[in-house]
Amino acid sequence: SYELTQPPSVSVSPRQTASITCSGDKLGDKVVSWYQQRPGQSPVLVIFQDGKRPSGIPERFSGSNSGNTATLTISGTQALDEADYYCQAWDSDTVIFGGGTKLTVL
Amino acid sequence: EIQLVESGGGLVKPGQSLRLSCAASGFTISGHNIHWVRQAPGKGLEWVSSISTSSRYISYADAVKGRFTVSRDNAKNSIYLQMNSLRAEDTAVYYCATVTDGGLDHWGQGTLVTVSS
Repeated sequence: SYELTQPPSVSVSPRQTASITCSGDKLGDKVVSWYQQRPGQSPVLVIFQDGKRPSGIPERFSGSNSGNTATLTISGTQALDEADYYCQAWDSDTVIFGGGTKLTVL
Repeated sequence: EIQLVESGGGLVKPGQSLRLSCAASGFTISGHNIHWVRQAPGKGLEWVSSISTSSRYISYADAVKGRFTVSRDNAKNSIYLQMNSLRAEDTAVYYCATVTDGGLDHWGQGTLVTVSS
């Protein structure tokens, strides 16, 4: 079965750029989405179709996907961006999630 | 406002059954594929099942295949997850979510299922 791998944790200083990676075999051939989940809340879609932002998601969130790696980039990171982030791809008609990355804003 | 509300969770013993419901408001589900996703306490997201707009295409994760059944009633704007032969490892918050352009764009608040003797 298809697997997505994320680093368990990433740390970033306020106002700096955070990058969270998601790796999988030929992931660039698949469509990737990213979700933000704050403690006690439901996941929120922040990136779809590799790099598109839903309405209401700040421009500081961006995404890319090529080769075996997709990347979520948060520019000018703010304290409120501290959360768990999950990448997601499709394997045929099933949904695959990465294991999640805890972003800490120090 | 688009809203999904899950219900039906609770505490059950191993081997028992539960039926979860996902009620939609602010939009009609008839035009959306719907997915169930769960999250065990302190763990990551795990896809459970999906159902297409007309119920023609249904999929399950291997972990629940043969025990869970997804269905929908477009007239009632609701989706259901019948869970049989529950196990301790099924303990999780269960979310329903819509799909648009490949992303799960609207999620409910989740309902907690606890399987324990």
